Amino acid sequence: AQSVAQPEDQVNVAEGNPLTVKCTYSVSGNPYLFWYVQYPNRGLQFLLKYITGDNLVKGSYGFEAEFNKSQTSFHLKKPSALVSDSALYFCAVRGLTGGFKTIFGAGTRLFVKA
Amino acid sequence: DTGVTQSPTHLIKTRGQQVTLRCSPISGHKSVSWYQQVLGQGPQFIFQYYEKEERGRGNFPDRFSARQFPNYSSELNVNALLLGDSALYLCASSLVAGETQYFGPGTRLLVL
Repeated sequence: AQSVAQPEDQVNVAEGNPLTVKCTYSVSGNPYLFWYVQYPNRGLQFLLKYITGDNLVKGSYGFEAEFNKSQTSFHLKKPSALVSDSALYFCAVRGLTGGFKTIFGAGTRLFVKA
Repeated sequence: DTGVTQSPTHLIKTRGQQVTLRCSPISGHKSVSWYQQVLGQGPQFIFQYYEKEERGRGNFPDRFSARQFPNYSSELNVNALLLGDSALYLCASSLVAGETQYFGPGTRLLVL
């Protein structure tokens, strides 16, 4: 069965510092991996995805994510955090078998302090 | 381009009633998925439709049903509402099934 774990409920970082939001997954076969961000009272916005190719994926707003197959991880990173990055971040996985079901993690709240 | 649109934005119902939520995908997108997001949790997959056929179903009771129309818009129906159905219902569209999904703003349902 597919599953996604986001081990941190909240991540606190100072503006200008690098940030990492962690995600690990479990899926049969090769995964499709996604990161989404949700601002208050809004739907989810797509940040980036990994399907195949380079393990380092670049996405919107300066975010990037590193796919690590051996550790089954897909951590979200940004070299220099902004206060406006404060939001709820979701990791999601879809396997290549079992239909098109996408599983989301519980989310990690990022708080960037000025 | 207009993004994914959902209606209504908010809805209040009482237990036992029925509700219909509507979704219009991004122009050209043929796949629509529905998710339930309870406060403090990640979105839970309910259904996916592609080319008007159901292509995936999550672990939700038969009270939940959906359909996709020839213009690729979609409706989610929930019968015999329970208090626990109170949530933000999100619709997402993608060009084809399984590809990147783009989400609408959601419909917030409150069941009293």
